Amino acid sequence: AQRVTQPEKLLSVFKGAPVELKCNYSYSGSPELFWYVQYSRQRLQLLLRHISRESIKGFTADLNKGETSFHLKKPFAQEEDSAMYYCALKTVTGANSKLTFGKGITLSVRP
Amino acid sequence: GAGVSQSPSNKVTEKGKDVELRCDPISGHTALYWYRQRLGQGLEFLIYFQGNSAPDKSGLPSDRFSAERTGESVSTLTIQRTQQEDSAVYLCASSLDRYEQFFGPGTRLTVL
Repeated sequence: AQRVTQPEKLLSVFKGAPVELKCNYSYSGSPELFWYVQYSRQRLQLLLRHISRESIKGFTADLNKGETSFHLKKPFAQEEDSAMYYCALKTVTGANSKLTFGKGITLSVRP
Repeated sequence: GAGVSQSPSNKVTEKGKDVELRCDPISGHTALYWYRQRLGQGLEFLIYFQGNSAPDKSGLPSDRFSAERTGESVSTLTIQRTQQEDSAVYLCASSLDRYEQFFGPGTRLTVL
């Protein structure tokens, strides 16, 4: 069965420090990975997806199939990055697809 | 409206009562998802509707939970004989393609 593991619940860093939010997955098929973010009092929204290989708000994430990981990284954290971050794995069965989410991690960036 | 809407935003009910939660997806989105987020837990998939296909109900935790969707519009999630462990934020999302889901603000359900 598919599974997404985010081993930490909270990461607290100072502004300007590097950030790495860990995500590991387990899936027998071809994985599609995503990071979703929820800022305070806002809706959950897509941050980035591995298939796009893009950098959003300075964040990047590389899919490492050997390590089954999709860690989210940013070299210099900003206070506005403080939010809840969820890693998600898309699984496909026939014509149906759904997301399996990790438990999420709270990122706190202190001034 | 521009986004997914859900109602009510908050619902407090007594144990044993039935509740109905509503989701209005983004117009034109063929896929609709329900998730549950319990305190300290991740998002738990409940059910998925895709067009006219049979819904994927594999995430529903018990037969007290059911959901319907009218065509490609409104969906209702019904919880019968609510229990305290049903207390959670229930999130709805809709999607047009296979890549991005757009989430509603959620309904916070409290079962006393």
